[in-house]
This record gives sequence, structure tokens and C-alpha cells, in this order.
Amino acid sequence: KQEVTQIPAALSVPEGENLVLNCSFTDSAIYNLQWFRQDPGKGLTSLLLIQSSQREQTSGRLNASLDKSSGRSTLYIAASQPGDSATYLCAVPTGSGNTGKLIFGQGTTLQVKP
Amino acid sequence: NAGVTQTPKFQVLKTGQSMTLQCAQDMNHEYMSWYRQDPGMGLRLIHYSVGAGITDQGEVPNGYNVSRSTTEDFPLRLLSAAPSQTSVYFCASRSGTGGFNEQFFGPGTRLTVL
Repeated sequence: KQEVTQIPAALSVPEGENLVLNCSFTDSAIYNLQWFRQDPGKGLTSLLLIQSSQREQTSGRLNASLDKSSGRSTLYIAASQPGDSATYLCAVPTGSGNTGKLIFGQGTTLQVKP
Repeated sequence: NAGVTQTPKFQVLKTGQSMTLQCAQDMNHEYMSWYRQDPGMGLRLIHYSVGAGITDQGEVPNGYNVSRSTTEDFPLRLLSAAPSQTSVYFCASRSGTGGFNEQFFGPGTRLTVL
């Protein structure tokens, strides 16, 4: 059974710092891995999708990496800003992928202090 | 594109009442799904659909019904609301029926059952 874990559960950093959020999964037979951002009381915003054949994806100050063999993904945020404060979730599709069911980690809540 | 839209944003029900949560997408996505998000439980799949006329159960389907008469709409019906259904409900959609593509989420409906 696929399990997704995110460590740490919470992180507080000063503005301008570079930071890394971690996501691990137990079954390496994944189609892809998706990172989301969730602001308090809001929906999930897709940040990056990494296919299983890719090693990294970049969007602006965000860079996500994927190492299937070790069951890990990282989300690197460069030059953090207070507007980056949110909960970050990673998710992988289950099994055959046809159900579309995503298995989510519990999230890392990030606070960037001015 | 409006993306994935959900109505209402907030709803308060009394135990035993019924209601329908609306979800629509304008991206012509084949796949749509409903999740609920609860503190400490993360996001859990309720029902999903791989196309008009096709629906299936997720991991927590009891107490909920769905139908998919059009590609655009995927309503979630609560037949007889219970306090255990107090949650935040998210609708999601994705192109294709395999597990390869990015999923997009709506803004959510916050439901309280008294």
C-alpha cells in the first residue's frame, strides 16, 4: 500500500532563505508526483508535476526533484518570501493510475517571516 | 478558463437534511473526482468518474451519491447529512483516464452538519 510522508510538518524561516521540503513514498512504481500549495481556507493549487521519467521540474523560484529508486522528492524554494507561507502537499497516483486517486502526504506548513 | 468551480463555498445543514454540492469544469476533462479533507486525516477520495455516465467509489463513499450526465458537471449528493460529514469538500479534474496528467482542484465547499 502506497504511503506518502512529508517531513517536517512545520517549518519557519526568515525571508530570503532558500529551503527544501521533503516528500517520501513507499512504492517506487509511480506514474508521477505532484506538488500542491494550499493557503488557509483555500483550495489546492498545482505547483509542479514530475513524470516518473523526469528527474526535475522548475517553475520560477520552485524546483522539484524526483528520485524514484529512493522513493523521494524534494521541493526547493529559492529566496523565500512571506507570500510563500502556506501548506505544501505532495501526492502520487495509486496503482494503475486509472482511478486517478491521489495519495497525499500530510503536508508541510511553511511560515516565512519578514 | 474558469478551471474547476464549486458551489456553494459554505453550507450549514441540520442532521438528516440532504443537499447537493456542485462541481463544474470547463477544460473538457474526462476525469473528475471528489475528496474530503479533515484535520489529521488528510484528503480522502469519495467518488470519481472517468467520463460521462461512468462513476465509481473511492475510499469513503458511504453517505454520498454521484452522477455524471455531462463532461462538465459532477455533483455530489449528501442523502441524509450526519455530523461526521462535516468537512471541506474538494472537486478535482484531470485530462485523460490514465494517471499521467496534472490534477486541478476547485476552491472547496466548507460543510458543517449540526
